[in-house]
Amino acid sequence: GDSVTQTEGLVTLTEGLPVMLNCTYQSTYSPFLFWYVQHLNEAPKLLLKSFTDNKRPEHQGFHATLHKSSSSFHLQKSSAQLSDSALYYCALSDCYGSSGNKLIFGIGTLLSVKP
Amino acid sequence: DPKIIQKPKYLVAVTGSEKILICEQYLGHNAMYWYRQSAKKPLEFMFSYSYQKLMDNQTASSRFQPQSSKKNHLDLQITALKPDDSATYFCASSQERTGPNERLFFGHGTKLSVL
Repeated sequence: GDSVTQTEGLVTLTEGLPVMLNCTYQSTYSPFLFWYVQHLNEAPKLLLKSFTDNKRPEHQGFHATLHKSSSSFHLQKSSAQLSDSALYYCALSDCYGSSGNKLIFGIGTLLSVKP
Repeated sequence: DPKIIQKPKYLVAVTGSEKILICEQYLGHNAMYWYRQSAKKPLEFMFSYSYQKLMDNQTASSRFQPQSSKKNHLDLQITALKPDDSATYFCASSQERTGPNERLFFGHGTKLSVL
């Protein structure tokens, strides 16, 4: 079945350094990929989603590129900010395959940005 | 103001008891979902409803029963509670059923602990 694999556990960075959170996936079809972010004591919310026309989605300085050849959708940012500290989920939607019409989430990566 | 309200925020129950988790959304969405996050596991899809009809059920146990009394309500009844049911339960909604262009909006979750 479909699955999503993320950098597990905790990623600790110093403010100003680049961010890269890994996400790879397995899917029989061509899924759509998403990044959701959950700040402390808040609900998860959508950060980015992949496009059908290979455009690179960007939001709040974050971007991610869907690479079908490597089945990856890594999240990147050139310079981490303290406010980026949060739990990040990668997810896929494969409404034409075994996943039906639901999102499959990775385990989540906790990003901690230090001064 | 939170647009998806989950009640209660924290819930402690004894093994064998029954609890109802409440979810109301004020986004005017037609689709609602329940996801569960157990310790060290990804967000896991449980149910999806569209226009108050069950569309997808990925929960093996009949102890979990969603209830939709109104279009913007999707409660979750859990009977014969077990310690393994301990998790954070997230309610979510989208304009229509999850698909490539649908954004999920999440509630803050109900953290259930079964003793």
